[in-house]
Amino acid sequence: DTGVSQNPRHKITKRGQNVTFRCDPISEHNRLYWYRQTLGQGPEFLTYFQNEAQLEKSRLLSDRFSAERPKGSFSTLEIQRTEQGDSAMYLCASSSGGRNTEAFFGQGTRLTVV
Amino acid sequence: AQSVSQHNHHVILSEAASLELGCNYSYGGTVNLFWYVQYPGQHLQLLLKYFSGDPLVKGIKGFEAEFIKSKFSFNLRKPSVQWSDTAEYFCAVNYGGATNKLIFGTGTLLAVQP
Repeated sequence: DTGVSQNPRHKITKRGQNVTFRCDPISEHNRLYWYRQTLGQGPEFLTYFQNEAQLEKSRLLSDRFSAERPKGSFSTLEIQRTEQGDSAMYLCASSSGGRNTEAFFGQGTRLTVV
Repeated sequence: AQSVSQHNHHVILSEAASLELGCNYSYGGTVNLFWYVQYPGQHLQLLLKYFSGDPLVKGIKGFEAEFIKSKFSFNLRKPSVQWSDTAEYFCAVNYGGATNKLIFGTGTLLAVQP
């Protein structure tokens, strides 16, 4: 499968713990996005990378959240001191350059904070 | 503010019925429009997209959508649904800018009864 890969698929953590998710985009895609989806809502944009540069962060991304994309390949999203409100599906998407392109989504990481 | 509205949150149809799901967006500039589908347990998949040209676009699995610029709408249609079309459908808009991020609607859950 050469699509977008995310792991883990599921993560249950206790409140206050740190968690890290990984996304492996389609190999030739230089654009990478993180979205968050809660029950009954569509995905909401969190942050965007072009190659290794993080070029935009949503106001949804509090200072407990950090994302990296070293060397412009895979990306990680870390949440520190998790809160129950962080429970959601975290989606990664990638696309090639240019405006008239589509984004390809991974299966997501479902985070449950107990 | 940039937003996307899907007015049908939950639709129940019998097989062979016709489908139309509404999508309206808030901005009057140049936009790229998408419909994504999420089958149970699977990742978001692209159904169809509009970048420019013929406002009637055809996608996979017999779906089509019509872009009506004057109404800021991009409604999804299918003449005859099948049980396998049971899924959640998301309208998404790229309002432009450097990131090409997507703004999603809240989704429509379609249940097709055999």
